[in-house]
Amino acid sequence: DIVLTQSPATLSVTPGESVSLSCRASQGISTSIHWYQQKSNESPRLLIKYASQSISGIPSRFSGSGSGTDFTLSINRVESEDFSVYYCQQSYSLPRTFGGGTKLELK
Amino acid sequence: QIQLVQSGPELKKPGESVKISCKASGYTFTDYAMHWVKQAPGKGLKWMGWINTYTGKPTYADDFKGRFVFSLEASASTANLQISNLKNEDTATYFCARSPTMAPFAYWGQGTLVTVSS
Repeated sequence: DIVLTQSPATLSVTPGESVSLSCRASQGISTSIHWYQQKSNESPRLLIKYASQSISGIPSRFSGSGSGTDFTLSINRVESEDFSVYYCQQSYSLPRTFGGGTKLELK
Repeated sequence: QIQLVQSGPELKKPGESVKISCKASGYTFTDYAMHWVKQAPGKGLKWMGWINTYTGKPTYADDFKGRFVFSLEASASTANLQISNLKNEDTATYFCARSPTMAPFAYWGQGTLVTVSS
């Protein structure tokens, strides 16, 4: 199985800061990584697909990069509504594993 | 618009069974696979497997082989998850999610909380 390791587990920031969240795969997965945001008691929401492709309706401050084993979700100037948990997921092979998540919290 | 609407919360005792439904609307049901994802309280997301909505063939992740069954009522555009012989560790929110094969999960159900307690 492909293991996805997200870091850090928790990131404490103030609104207006720009941040980078990391997702590392245990083997090369090309660009088959997707990012989700999950707010408390809600379903996950797709933010970025295939490492860097934008999703309609998602604010442009969210962007993704990477290929192979190292991937990054960047948030340019965090807003209050962004404080939530972020997960990466791979679609390179079955099982369709998720990372453990990064919680973005208010400092 | 595309919607996945899941059945309501369930409270069950250990050893009982539960069936969760996920009704799809706004698209042709058999054109997209349906996946199931488990989220235990305060924990991350865990992929359980998927069902081919065209053929009805299910595929289970290793941790979900045996007591878990994916099924369809294609005429009603509904996917079901049945869990038998419930254990305390099955307490979780279960999500259905639609996706083309090996693609991201663009649409999710609202989740169904299953609580297993004696």
